[in-house]
Amino acid sequence: QLEESGGGVVQPGTSLRLSCAASGFVFSAYAMHWVRQAPGKGPEWVALIWHDGTNDQYGESVKGRFTISRDNSKNTLYLEMRGLRAEDSALYYCAKEGIVGGERGWLDPWGQGTLVTVSS
Amino acid sequence: MQMTQSPSTLSASVGDRVTITCRASQIFGDFLAWYQQKPGKAPKLLIYKASTLESGVPSRFSGSASGTEFTLTISSLQPDDFAIYYCQHYNYYWTFGQGTRVEV
Repeated sequence: QLEESGGGVVQPGTSLRLSCAASGFVFSAYAMHWVRQAPGKGPEWVALIWHDGTNDQYGESVKGRFTISRDNSKNTLYLEMRGLRAEDSALYYCAKEGIVGGERGWLDPWGQGTLVTVSS
Repeated sequence: MQMTQSPSTLSASVGDRVTITCRASQIFGDFLAWYQQKPGKAPKLLIYKASTLESGVPSRFSGSASGTEFTLTISSLQPDDFAIYYCQHYNYYWTFGQGTRVEV
């Protein structure tokens, strides 16, 4: 239902754009998140965008460098990453935010991830 | 918001009752989820709203909350349950615990 793409090996200071193609649900009805996980480490929340794209939030470590966006006509979520650093190297997951009866916030499901390696 | 998860590693056997704890740095209600992650796979949602079992998750998994302390319990550990478990606070802040590895 969620398929990430766009990862790769890049040099420090460069940019990269990740994509997440969604299927099997009404994409425009759900907030979406990016979460990353460095090898051998726990997940780290990266960013959130509301269902209609009118609001977003970022983790402190990426604020000002990463931009989350979405195209509801294409059922696709994006993450534009600029000024990449070695510590940004991780598997990047997109995830759909759960909502039940007005309660929301948990992440389900997650994609399989796309690997970003920042190295000179 | 900080989430402190314990223990970091737990050694157990099939049939054991297993308890994992996640302590929040401040009170925030029941905005807590638990995930299971197996090698090479994405995290899988087990519980949300501290104690609501996700559809399809076996009933041996349960969650509870008391103030700033949240608990994931596996009533009778099964072979498929050996994995890493993460707690996550959500709702304005999204913060993960450090993880608990459940091993043989």
